[in-house]
Amino acid sequence: AQSVTQLGSHVSVSEGALVLLRCNYSSSVPPYLFWYVQYPNQGLQLLLKYTSAATLVKGINGFEAEFKKSETSFHLTKPSAHMSDAAEYFCAVSKEGGSQGNLIFGKGTKLSVKP
Amino acid sequence: KAGVTQTPRYLIKTRGQQVTLSCSPISGHRSVSWYQQTPGQGLQFLFEYFSETQRNKGNFPGRFSGRQFSNSRSEMNVSTLELGDSALYLCASSLGDRQGAFFGQGTRLTVV
Repeated sequence: AQSVTQLGSHVSVSEGALVLLRCNYSSSVPPYLFWYVQYPNQGLQLLLKYTSAATLVKGINGFEAEFKKSETSFHLTKPSAHMSDAAEYFCAVSKEGGSQGNLIFGKGTKLSVKP
Repeated sequence: KAGVTQTPRYLIKTRGQQVTLSCSPISGHRSVSWYQQTPGQGLQFLFEYFSETQRNKGNFPGRFSGRQFSNSRSEMNVSTLELGDSALYLCASSLGDRQGAFFGQGTRLTVV
């Protein structure tokens, strides 16, 4: 069975500092991996996706993530945090060749950005 | 291109009632999925429809049901509402396996 673990339910960084949000997955088959962001009282917005092409994936708003099969990780990074990045971030997995409509989500990480 | 539209945005119902939520996917998307989001359980998959057929189902009781119409619009229904059904219900549509799912803003259901 597939699963996703996000390390750290809350992460706080200063504006301009590096953002690192951790995600580890478990999958018996090649996975598709996604990062989503959710602002208060909003739905989820797709930040980026890994679908077995390049292992370094660039997304919107300056975020990127690297797929590391040996570490079963897909950590999300951004070189310089902005106040507008404060939100909750979710990592999700679906199996390759499986339905994109059946995503398994992590518990989420709330990112706070201090001025 | 219009995004995923969910109606209504907010809903208050009484225990024992039933409720129907609506979702209009992005034009051209044939897959529609539903998720329940609560503070305690997080995001949980309810079901997915593709071309009017249920393709996947999560681990929810039979009180939760859904359907998809020929224009890909989808509805989900919850009967005999319980207090624990209070949640944000999110609908997502997808074009294909490699595209990712795009979410609506959700329907906030409160059961009193």
